[in-house]
Amino acid sequence: SNEVTQPPSVSVSPGQTASISCSGDELSDKYVCWYQHKSGQSPVLVIYQDNKRPSGIPERFSGSNSGNTATLTISETQAMDEADYYCQAWDNRFVVFGGGTKLTVL
Amino acid sequence: VQLVQSGADVKTPGSSVKVSCRVSGSTPSSFHFSWVRQAPGQGLEWVGGINPMLGTPRYAEKFQGRVTIVADKSTTTGYMELSSLRSSDTAVYYCARVAHRPATPRAPEEYYFDSWGPGTLVTVSS
Repeated sequence: SNEVTQPPSVSVSPGQTASISCSGDELSDKYVCWYQHKSGQSPVLVIYQDNKRPSGIPERFSGSNSGNTATLTISETQAMDEADYYCQAWDNRFVVFGGGTKLTVL
Repeated sequence: VQLVQSGADVKTPGSSVKVSCRVSGSTPSSFHFSWVRQAPGQGLEWVGGINPMLGTPRYAEKFQGRVTIVADKSTTTGYMELSSLRSSDTAVYYCARVAHRPATPRAPEEYYFDSWGPGTLVTVSS
């Protein structure tokens, strides 16, 4: 199965825009989704089908997928957005998770 | 949709563990779930999943031969059994409801997790 790669960490100042990348071979041919995972809690789906937000997810969360890189963008980042973020794809009938990115809001 | 998992468990190396997940608020036809684990300090890792309407489970290559995932449609309860436990199997095991859409001529196949259980801590220690 394919692997997808994320940066281990991203830092952002409150109110600024955070971008988290997820790279993999032929990734743009697949749908990518993103999960937010805060310590001690269960993961939460924040983006599916590359760029769709589930009900209840703030509009400041957006996604894109092109050129073999998917990107999660969080605009006007807030302290409450500090968490680990994971991308996930479905490749050849296997689930593939990225290694996760720790977002720090400084 | 609510996913209710069994409680924490402590096992010795070489033994087996069975974790349950009851899905409430889901019709049997939409009862499709997977198991994902997170070891201490590590990322999310897919263990496997099953669509009870189709019956055949699918397992991550890493766990083939050691994991068994089954489901009871009548009670919308799923089970994951992991055998030959080692200390590296110490992790929080989550069940998650699957949203699955087959590929079409205009879109790729889609498989993601739209609801998650609270997690079950499995500790493997002698």
